[in-house]
Amino acid sequence: AQSVAQPEDQVNVAEGNPLTVKCTYSVSGNPYLFWYVQYPNRGLQFLLKYITGDNLVKGSYGFEAEFNKSQTSFHLKKPSALVSDSALYFCAVRDDSGAGSYQLTFGKGTKLSVIP
Amino acid sequence: SQTIHQWPATLVQPVGSPLSLECTVEGTSNPNLYWYRQAAGRGLQLLFYSVGIGQISSEVPQNLSASRPQDRQFILSSKKLLLSDSGFYLCAWEGLAGGEQFFGPGTRLTVL
Repeated sequence: AQSVAQPEDQVNVAEGNPLTVKCTYSVSGNPYLFWYVQYPNRGLQFLLKYITGDNLVKGSYGFEAEFNKSQTSFHLKKPSALVSDSALYFCAVRDDSGAGSYQLTFGKGTKLSVIP
Repeated sequence: SQTIHQWPATLVQPVGSPLSLECTVEGTSNPNLYWYRQAAGRGLQLLFYSVGIGQISSEVPQNLSASRPQDRQFILSSKKLLLSDSGFYLCAWEGLAGGEQFFGPGTRLTVL
């Protein structure tokens, strides 16, 4: 079975500082990994994904994530936080082995607050 | 470009009333379609997915049902709503198996 953990319910960071939102995963095969952002009363917006290749993935709005196979992690990062980055962030995983291949498993979400 | 629509945006229904939420996708063909429920602004629960017309798979047993009458149309229904059906319902489409999913704007359902 596949699973995702986002260990922090909330992350607070000062505007202009770097931010990290943590995600660890568990799958049987190779992981497909995704990050989404959700603003209040809106649908989820896709930020970036890792399927294969370079471990550092760059996405929308200046976000990037680093795939670490040995630590089974896929942390979301941004060098300089903006107040407008304040939102709910979801990590998601899919197993490429075919087990439950239609199901994208989401973490519980991390609320990011960027303080002016 | 592809777009996904959901309606209504908000809905307030009494307990025991029927439900019909609609999701349509434009600009793509034969997408995989998904219904999720999000409670209390947090985790997403997969309710149904469909890989083609008339093909529905249910992930969680409940009093909800789904149908896919057309390639790009996905409907979530209930014959009798429960208080516990309140939540934020999200539809999503996926163009390639294993690829990212794209979400609609959601429907906020309140059952009173």
